Amino acid sequence: QVQLQESGPGLVKPSETLSLTCTVSGGSMSSYYWSWIRQSPGKGLEWMGHVFYSGSTTYNPSLKSRVTISVDTSKNQFSLKLSSVTAADTAVYYCARFTYDSSGYYLQYWGQGTLVTVSS
Amino acid sequence: QTVVTQEPSFSVSPGGTVTLTCGLTSGSVSPSYSPTWYQQTPGQAPRTLIYGTSTRSSGVPDRFSGSIFGNKAALTITGAQADDESDYYCVLHMGSGIYVFGTGTKVTVL
Repeated sequence: QVQLQESGPGLVKPSETLSLTCTVSGGSMSSYYWSWIRQSPGKGLEWMGHVFYSGSTTYNPSLKSRVTISVDTSKNQFSLKLSSVTAADTAVYYCARFTYDSSGYYLQYWGQGTLVTVSS
Repeated sequence: QTVVTQEPSFSVSPGGTVTLTCGLTSGSVSPSYSPTWYQQTPGQAPRTLIYGTSTRSSGVPDRFSGSIFGNKAALTITGAQADDESDYYCVLHMGSGIYVFGTGTKVTVL
């Protein structure tokens, strides 16, 4: 069973860079897309972007100037960096894996989520 | 900026049927958007119910079904149960690998 686990600081200061890592266990990273999704307190979900195991990326246009997603298959990890954070970036951050079959893509496996608070 | 719209809330009686919709502020939803539906209970990560418009994810009860209803994607719960009380989100693929979550619908079973 594939499992994902987010890790990283739970508190980030305004204007700094938020950095999170997702560690994948129970399966290979090869041939899959790996994604970050966030959810502000009491709000809806926001797709931030994803990275293919080869390293190619696609980002949410509204975050594109601030977000970087990278992958390290040798460590079975992928990472999120979000620069110039503000209080509006306070959220639970989820990592997830896309699965694909003949019907399409969907986010099959999710981490438990990690709360990141932006505050001085 | 494209907004994917959902009803803010719905209430359904146990055993009843409810249809949630997923639309666009501009244009119609078609199968080419590959609508996906996720269920989220408080404090938990979302789980996939329906993908590719109408394919049920593994282990999802057949009381959940997906379709295109008019110019929107739709999720129907037939024979609602107490543990269906959750938030439901649709996601549309906007092309070029870009996905947009809907605003979410809170379903109450009472």
